[in-house]
Amino acid sequence: EAGVAQSPRYKIIEKRQSVAFWCNPISGHATLYWYQQILGQGPKLLIQFQNNGVVDDSQLPKDRFSAERLKGVDSTLKIQPAKLEDSAVYLCATALQGAFYEQYFGPGTRLTVT
Amino acid sequence: AQTVTQSQPEMSVQEAETVTLSCTYDTSESDYYLFWYKQPPSRQMILVIRQEAYKQQNATENRFSVNFQKAAKSFSLKISDSQLGDAAMYFCAYRSAAGGATNKLIFGTGTLLAVQP
Repeated sequence: EAGVAQSPRYKIIEKRQSVAFWCNPISGHATLYWYQQILGQGPKLLIQFQNNGVVDDSQLPKDRFSAERLKGVDSTLKIQPAKLEDSAVYLCATALQGAFYEQYFGPGTRLTVT
Repeated sequence: AQTVTQSQPEMSVQEAETVTLSCTYDTSESDYYLFWYKQPPSRQMILVIRQEAYKQQNATENRFSVNFQKAAKSFSLKISDSQLGDAAMYFCAYRSAAGGATNKLIFGTGTLLAVQP
């Protein structure tokens, strides 16, 4: 079974530029999460999708971050414009529907904003 | 709001010996899950072990076991017969089991484990 795919693995941009990350879930996984992991910290949830609907985006900085999950499969996370403090690893995780089910993580995208 | 605390930023263990990583959490919920995740330099989060709060028996997975103390809100991870491949960042995480709620993971700040040959 293929795992969660993310691209790109690394991205370096200048502040005020825009960037997009892509996530392809494990087949059949209805729930998709985007986490932000700042260096030295644990991951923090940015947004959770159930199929193509948003369940929780309370910690998403909506003035600059946006995310979508078209057709309940792939998802993209966008930052526009980027700030220095957005430098982090962005992790995508997916799971079958329901709290019982394990979340499977992708390899993450390391973003550096200069 | 739930919080997870890992008070050991770094730990070191000799190969083949045993090490225990500490985790405490705070919640007002009675039904939840606790996890230990391993994050090697490749950044891929790997589930090590999981504990359901309603279960009194401590979870075990081969060389990994937990000491779950619900009243004390403590959840430590014991790694026996440590191997070089165990070197990684270890995160303790909490997830609500409440139906209909977001089931996001709430992570601690991690413990970096070094294994000495």
